[in-house]
Amino acid sequence: DSGVTQTPKHLITATGQRVTLRCSPRSGDLSVYWYQQSLDQGLQFLIQYYNGEERAKGNILERFSAQQFPDLHSELNLSSLELGDSALYFCASSVIAGSTDTQYFGPGTRLTVL
Amino acid sequence: GQQVMQIPQYQHVQEGEDFTTYCNSSTTLSNIQWYKQRPGGHPVFLIQLVKSGEVKKQKRLTFQFGEAKKNSSLHITATQTTDVGTYFCAGPYSGAGSYQLTFGKGTKLSVIP
Repeated sequence: DSGVTQTPKHLITATGQRVTLRCSPRSGDLSVYWYQQSLDQGLQFLIQYYNGEERAKGNILERFSAQQFPDLHSELNLSSLELGDSALYFCASSVIAGSTDTQYFGPGTRLTVL
Repeated sequence: GQQVMQIPQYQHVQEGEDFTTYCNSSTTLSNIQWYKQRPGGHPVFLIQLVKSGEVKKQKRLTFQFGEAKKNSSLHITATQTTDVGTYFCAGPYSGAGSYQLTFGKGTKLSVIP
């Protein structure tokens, strides 16, 4: 158990809908990262938050947004969903956001768009 | 931007055979990290290498960091079925005053009993 929690574990929805994925980082970790993993694909970095502020954006679509709240939990919002958005979405956390920080991954949310 | 390439993409080995995955970065890295993702699981941190030419061992796993700090390898001796999974290398890169990890696409290891 990494100490990072994600809900829900599974999500099935229809095209055009909007969903929210939730992540709670490990106790004491200030930095949260979101990744997308499609079938047999690597980990695509989406966005990073540090202590409530957005720090970096990766390959995140405009239909996707995220935020980190004062209690440090984070939410990833996916809207106008398309079939191609079906994937595993991982949240990871680290103590700060230093170059030697280890990232601890949550169990992921499997999103299926029908 | 920084790119991290990993080969091979897939590797099937007979139980007891050795396995090696290679990682190459387009830029010099301050360190490199390795993660393992079991089937149906999430990535789990294995190790971090920091020094040029560094070699670290974890039981049957040997990790190396190249002299130029642009490449790395993971070698597993005498694979077991418990080694099945995808192995990712990752290097840090700086953006907006903090660091993110660029992951390679991973090497998926299958072990035939």
